Amino acid sequence: EVHLLESGGGLVKPGGSLRLSCAASGFTFTRNSMNWVRQAPGKGLEWVSSIDSTSNYIYYADSLKGRFTISRDNAHNSLYLHMNSLRAEDTAVYYCARDGPAVAMDYWGPGTLVTVSS
Amino acid sequence: DIQMTQSPSTLSAAVGDRVTITCRASQSISTWLAWYQQKPGNAPKLLIYEASSLESGVPSRFSGSGSGTEFTLTISSLQPDDFATYYCQHYNSYSQPFGPGTKVETK
Repeated sequence: EVHLLESGGGLVKPGGSLRLSCAASGFTFTRNSMNWVRQAPGKGLEWVSSIDSTSNYIYYADSLKGRFTISRDNAHNSLYLHMNSLRAEDTAVYYCARDGPAVAMDYWGPGTLVTVSS
Repeated sequence: DIQMTQSPSTLSAAVGDRVTITCRASQSISTWLAWYQQKPGNAPKLLIYEASSLESGVPSRFSGSGSGTEFTLTISSLQPDDFATYYCQHYNSYSQPFGPGTKVETK
């Protein structure tokens, strides 16, 4: 069974940094592109970033302006999101999601909450 | 970048109703369009991919159609479990925006 579990969320001050992790299991991690999607409290879904299976193709939402970095460790079936210069508007639940065979996001983790506040 | 819009933003319906949600892209995206269902406190769930293909395990009352810039999600007979928020998303691109969502609520 496919399983994704995010960790690393928490309370951080404006301007601070945080690294989110996503542990994957139940599938061959090296075969799938992966994504981060976030959702601010009471708001809609926002695509954050995607990375292909070999880390050769990486994409970000324009709104992030270089503050976030996605990476993966195929040896440890893990996906990461490094977040710098955090702002109040980055407060959200962050989900990792797998690109399935049809490329759409077919499995999602339960999410991890990031709160940026002084 | 491509922008996605949805209408309506909120839809009031009763069990048994036929429900249709529209999603529009600011430029042609062929059929690279997915639909997701999300319930409060839960992660989104994939319903439809490639505009009209039903994800495994999703009830057949859900269907999708469209190509280019206009797409629809139809629920043929609304069930109690279907009250939720629905999002469209353009994918398989350097940018993968979601629509703003459509909340289906009880009439």
